[in-house]
Amino acid sequence: GAVVSQHPSRVICKSGTSVKIECRSLDFQATTMFWYRQFPKQSLMLMATSNEGSKATYEQGVEKDKFLINHASLTLSTLTVTSAHPEDSSFYICSARGFGGTGVNTEAFFGQGTRLTVV
Amino acid sequence: RKEVEQDPGPFNVPEGATVAFNCTYSNSASQSFFWYRQDCRKEPKLLMSVYSSGNEDGRFTAQLNRASQYISLLIRDSKLSDSATYLCVVPGNTGKLIFGQGTTLQVKP
Repeated sequence: GAVVSQHPSRVICKSGTSVKIECRSLDFQATTMFWYRQFPKQSLMLMATSNEGSKATYEQGVEKDKFLINHASLTLSTLTVTSAHPEDSSFYICSARGFGGTGVNTEAFFGQGTRLTVV
Repeated sequence: RKEVEQDPGPFNVPEGATVAFNCTYSNSASQSFFWYRQDCRKEPKLLMSVYSSGNEDGRFTAQLNRASQYISLLIRDSKLSDSATYLCVVPGNTGKLIFGQGTTLQVKP
């Protein structure tokens, strides 16, 4: 199946610094990627939808100035957590979907996730 | 009503048991549904896709009831390795995926 690579898998940073997470689709072009965060024992919560060449669409309650998303190419989307605080510590996962013959009803492929710890 | 709703469990079953999870969804226009499996601290992995009335793959069977707006996942002959969280996923109108909160399964020896 399609492969989505996410990097880094784990990062520890100091409060106030920024962290960039990369998500790449390795064998297909992803016009749309999705960014999720997951707190312990909770489900994935969609943060934003990243569209190639345009601004991301953020879900209600997600600060777009804090979680900067860039989708500069059909294979790369980045999420930057700016001025990180301990409460930003979480598991961040990206996903990409193929919009081929089956249109919007295709499954999503997930990156390996990034465990962010802000100290 | 939540867009996608699951019983979080946990479901504790012995090896060899049959277990079933239900998932209800609110968007009657949804055409496809997915069950993902997520192991602790890992990314979700696709288990089954459901586009019509149901799907079967080995010990796993997914069924769709459009009238009542729910999908189910049946696992027969449970293995220890089936222990995980099972996520019900429904595409939203804009193509984004809506996740249920997940159902935790623990298979005991």
